[in-house]
Amino acid sequence: SQQGEEDPQALSIQEGENATMNCSYKTSINNLQWYRQNSGRGLVHLILIRSNEREKHSGRLRVTLDTSKKSSSLLITASRAADTASYFCATDAGWNFGNEKLTFGTGTRLTIIP
Amino acid sequence: DTEVTQTPKHLVMGMTNKKSLKCEQHMGHRAMYWYKQKAKKPPELMFVYSYEKLSINESVPSRFSPECPNSSLLNLHLHALQPEDSALYLCASSQDWTSGVLYYTEAFFGQGTRLTVV
Repeated sequence: SQQGEEDPQALSIQEGENATMNCSYKTSINNLQWYRQNSGRGLVHLILIRSNEREKHSGRLRVTLDTSKKSSSLLITASRAADTASYFCATDAGWNFGNEKLTFGTGTRLTIIP
Repeated sequence: DTEVTQTPKHLVMGMTNKKSLKCEQHMGHRAMYWYKQKAKKPPELMFVYSYEKLSINESVPSRFSPECPNSSLLNLHLHALQPEDSALYLCASSQDWTSGVLYYTEAFFGQGTRLTVV
């Protein structure tokens, strides 16, 4: 079962604009991560935010985490055509033997229009 | 080397065939994963190996049989599959323990094997 629901399911914006996508989850988490997947290929890790962090930046990416609302957002600034991909949030509930489980959200399909 | 290598890239097999998917990493990661992904859906966890021991089996049918021969290799043996098993199969690895401290880093994914069962 999916832990995270992402919103919107699909997003189209003009190149240069900012893109924001949201992830909501149901149970307590240890870490939340964002991954990108280009069409039909493997996933690439973008950023990890721990449950005791509220905001994190990496280049053009900004991630926020609100554990009280069980939600996270990913902001991509100054979008480029190469950002066209599907974006997934993924959560884990702690890490010990038998619990090394990364659960993915439903994903947002982002299209950047040149 | 930060790659996870999966072979083959594409596989077409009949319902009576036996085939294997292979995954290899040389990053010293001690946790390795198999995920299944259907079109326009998120990856779904199938199996996790931690320190070469099977730690999670997400109630996967026995026609899928994982194997971890050593810390760098992960196989998925396929037998008597159904057409609905057609999907992208993704292997991933991550560092699990650091200096005896429970720690988790990002997962590195291979490019996947596109499996078609006919």
